[in-house]
Amino acid sequence: QLQLLESGPGLVKPSETLSLTCSVSGGSISSSSYYWGWIRQPPGKGLEWIGSIYYSGSTYYNPSLKSRVTIFVDTSKNQFSLKLSSVTAADTAVYFCARQFSSGWPPAYFDYWGQGTLVTVSS
Amino acid sequence: QSGLTQPASVSGSPGQSITISCAGTSSDVGSYNLVSWYQQHPGKAPKLMIYEVSKRPSGVSNRFSGSRSGNTASLTISGLQAEDEADYYCCSYAGSNTWVFGGGTKLTVL
Repeated sequence: QLQLLESGPGLVKPSETLSLTCSVSGGSISSSSYYWGWIRQPPGKGLEWIGSIYYSGSTYYNPSLKSRVTIFVDTSKNQFSLKLSSVTAADTAVYFCARQFSSGWPPAYFDYWGQGTLVTVSS
Repeated sequence: QSGLTQPASVSGSPGQSITISCAGTSSDVGSYNLVSWYQQHPGKAPKLMIYEVSKRPSGVSNRFSGSRSGNTASLTISGLQAEDEADYYCCSYAGSNTWVFGGGTKLTVL
């Protein structure tokens, strides 16, 4: 059974960089059928797509976050990671990683999700 | 890129049917067969309920169905059960290598 697990600091100071890693087990991150995405959810609010990556390293970002986001993949560790720079209180959210199924382009849907990890931006 | 529009809340009694709408534009919902729906219980990760507008993943009850008319997608839940009480989100490919979610709908089973 595929499992995704987010890890990283739960508290980040304003203006610093948020860094999270998603570890994938029970399947290969290098499969040609999947992309891998980050989605976030501020407390009490809705879901927001942050960005997605293919195992080759191709990345796709939400235009509203693009200037601050970097997503990269480490196939040797079966992991992918998120960096969000210059964070403010508005970036406080539960961050989810998820697998995105693709039978071609574009990828179709998020079929497996991690449990999510709360990141609070505060001094 | 704007979010998809969903009603903030819907409600229904056990056994009834409800429909949640997801209004987009001709640039997202109306252009691609890539609308998906997710169920989220409090404190849990979202769960895929419908993909590619109307397809159901294995293991999802056939009480859940999806459809689309023009730029608006819909999720219908028939035979409401207490366990269906949750938040529901639609999602669509929005072109230019981007994806967009709806604001979410809270379903209350009375």
